[in-house]
Formats: sequence, structure tokens, C-alpha cells
Amino acid sequence: AQKITQTQPGMFVQEKEAVTLDCTYDTSDQSYGLFWYKQPSSGEMIFLIYQGSYDEQNATEGRYSLNFQKARKSANLVISASQLGDSAMYFCAMRERESGATNKLIFGTGTLLAVQP
Amino acid sequence: DVKVTQSSRYLVKRTGEKVFLECVQDMDHENMFWYRQDPGLGLRLIYFSYDVKMKEKGDIPEGYSVSREKKERFSLILESASTNQTSMYLCATDRLNEQFFGPGTRLTVL
Repeated sequence: AQKITQTQPGMFVQEKEAVTLDCTYDTSDQSYGLFWYKQPSSGEMIFLIYQGSYDEQNATEGRYSLNFQKARKSANLVISASQLGDSAMYFCAMRERESGATNKLIFGTGTLLAVQP
Repeated sequence: DVKVTQSSRYLVKRTGEKVFLECVQDMDHENMFWYRQDPGLGLRLIYFSYDVKMKEKGDIPEGYSVSREKKERFSLILESASTNQTSMYLCATDRLNEQFFGPGTRLTVL
């Protein structure tokens, strides 16, 4: 069965430093997609970045990059130059198929990031 | 921009009441989802729908039902609310490689 594991319930990082949020996944599918979402205290889920299983390059979106290591089944999120506004809960998620009619997502339990001034 | 709206941000109901949570999207997407979010458990899929009047059970459908009479609206129904259904409920729709979420409804069942 597909599964997403986030082993860090919470993390601190100093403002302007980089931080890595861990995510490992388990799937027998050859084709899948990996996502990261941010959830600030206001509650809305904000899409950050996507990585397809066949993408050869690591995905990047501004200060966010996804360190995709397929053999290790890991998809860590790297936030560079942390800002106070990055303080939030971060969720890793996986879609069972990279493209399909129904894009069910499986979520990890989340990592709460606190950026310190 | 895709907009997903949910009928209430906060809701308080009594045990045994029938509860309707409404979700509306304005982008003509076929797929819609209902999740619940609980501390330490992440988001868990309750039901999803890939077309009008079509629905499929997610990972935790017990105690819930859904209705999709129109493409833009997906309703989650608690037939007889129980205290263990106190949670944050999130509706979502999707396009290609992205799911778009509503603001969430925090439901408290007393």
C-alpha cells in the first residue's frame, strides 16, 4: 500500500538559513507524483511544488526545491533563505499515478516549521 | 485563479444532528475531494467524486456520505454527527498536477 512518512513532527530554523524537511514514500507504482503543501496557521493549504516520478531534474519553485532520490524513495523539501512567513505546517503527499482520471493524494502527517528571527 | 469555497469556517453541532458541509468550485473541474485533518494524522481522504452523481469511497468513509448533483458543488453529509467527527474538513478540486483546497471547516460536535 502507498504510504508517506514524515519523521520530523517539528523543526526550528534561523531566519535566512536553509532547511530540509524530510519525506519518504512507499509505492509499488512505477508512475507517481510527489507534492509539497504549506499550511499556515490560517488553515489554507498552499501548493508549493510537484515532482513526477519520471522527471529527471529536481523540481524547483523559487526558494523551494525538491530533493528527489528515487532509489531511496525520498522527496525532501529544501527551503532556502528561510523567512518568518515560512513558519507553517508542511505536508508531503503522493499521487498514485502521475496522470490519471482521479488524482487521489496520500498525505504524510506533516512537519511544523518554526522560523526564528 | 481557481476558487474553492466552503460554506462555513466554523461549525458547532450536537451529537446526533445531521450535518451538511458544502463545497463549491468555480473552475469546472471534474474531480472533487473531501478530507479530514487531525493532529498527528495528516489529511485523510473521506470521499471523492470524478463526475456528477459519481462518488467513490476514500480511506475513511464510515459515518459519512456525499452528494454531487451539480459539477461545481460537492457536499459532505454526516447523517448522525458523533464527537469523534470533530475535526477540520477540507474540500479540494484538481487540475493536472495540483490540488486546490478550500479554506476548511472546523467542525465541533458536542
